[in-house]
Amino acid sequence: GAVVSQHPSRVICKSGTSVKIECRSLDFQATTMFWYRQFPKQSLMLMATSNEGSKATYEQGVEKDKFLINHASLTLSTLTVTSAHPEDSSFYICSARQTDPLSSYEQYFGPGTRLTVT
Amino acid sequence: AQSVTQPDIHITVSEGASLELRCNYSYGATPYLFWYVQSPGQGLQLLLKYFSGDTLVQGIKGFEAEFKRSQSSFNLRKPSVHWSDAAEYFCAVASGYSSASKIIFGSGTRLSIRP
Repeated sequence: GAVVSQHPSRVICKSGTSVKIECRSLDFQATTMFWYRQFPKQSLMLMATSNEGSKATYEQGVEKDKFLINHASLTLSTLTVTSAHPEDSSFYICSARQTDPLSSYEQYFGPGTRLTVT
Repeated sequence: AQSVTQPDIHITVSEGASLELRCNYSYGATPYLFWYVQSPGQGLQLLLKYFSGDTLVQGIKGFEAEFKRSQSSFNLRKPSVHWSDAAEYFCAVASGYSSASKIIFGSGTRLSIRP
């Protein structure tokens, strides 16, 4: 149980276009999902916290107009990178937290999406 | 604000040897601590976590970690490593035990295994 999927796993896009990445909790409901960014050989940096039915909370330094987050249901959050540029190329990882308090609010991580902007 | 330090960027150990990866945290209250492993190009897998209770925590794949409040440490250990343990290891701390908590990651330690 507690599986999180991401789609696509890899995407290549041209500079100036937008890309949408989906994060789904497959077998549990998640009122909160998180989006992380990871550069090569570096750690995960939290970009934003996504709450179902409300606006996402962005970390300092993250452009909310560039990284659009939508959390329309208890099992799906999307990250859209708008007007992508080569410096947006990175590995994007989402995580989802169960709503059930008995689950100790543990986060489950998706497999990541490799974005390459040419 | 909470933070995590992993002082070792890269460690190489021989297969069958013991392993200890260091992690120090900074947090004013009782920390909630995690160790994750990431294989190249993959997502994260939780090895173990500490919320409260016994300070020696057992995890998957033969890993264990010990919480030492006096040293603000949560070091990961394994008595005998296998070639398949080669990966990136992240220590992490959560800001609390509630729906509002966030997980902050250390910079990671890359583990290489010498045949």
